[in-house]
Amino acid sequence: GESVGLHLPTLSVQEGDNSIINCAYSNSASDYFIWYKQESGKGPQFIIDIRSNMDKRQGQRVTVLLNKTVKHLSLQIAATQPGDSAVYFCAVQGYHNFNKFYFGSGTKLNVKP
Amino acid sequence: DTGVSQDPRHKITKRGQNVTFRCDPISEHNRLYWYRQTLGQGPEFLTYFQNEAQLEKSRLLSNRFSAERPKGSFSTLEIQRTEQGDSAMYLCASSLSGGALIGEQYFGPGTRLTVT
Repeated sequence: GESVGLHLPTLSVQEGDNSIINCAYSNSASDYFIWYKQESGKGPQFIIDIRSNMDKRQGQRVTVLLNKTVKHLSLQIAATQPGDSAVYFCAVQGYHNFNKFYFGSGTKLNVKP
Repeated sequence: DTGVSQDPRHKITKRGQNVTFRCDPISEHNRLYWYRQTLGQGPEFLTYFQNEAQLEKSRLLSNRFSAERPKGSFSTLEIQRTEQGDSAMYLCASSLSGGALIGEQYFGPGTRLTVT
């Protein structure tokens, strides 16, 4: 199966600063990637996705960057707010099975006021 | 609230007992997923339904686990002869095939199982 890893289990940032959460994946043929946010006591919530034919995709205060050469993607959150405090997961769609998604272990983002 | 509900939210059971969880997806969603999540880890795929058909089942899912979606609406996940290693959060998610965002699964709040 696929392998997905996040670089840092915990990230602490000051309110108002930008946050960058990184993720690495194993299969160079992977085509579709998603970032999820999980708040305490809740299920994961879709944030943004990107296909392998793109290098960058922007949403509201979030940007996902994909570097296929080194099999790395990142989530950038601009002007981080206390409400952004959560665990962030990257997920990769299975190459042989499009209905399966492989999640990394998550990065916990702590936003300091 | 995503529109996906799960019941119960918490379940404590003794080793060897059977447990059943229920998931009610968003009504128009034809795809339904079950995941297991342990502390500090991301969700781990267990099984997937399209309408009432179970199309995929993880090899990690032992034969003590069974899932159904009898009418293509709600789903149940049963664990027989529970073991302490089954303690985890069980998440259900639903999505609409053909939707613009194919990864946009809507997750329920999960059922936390504790096996003592």
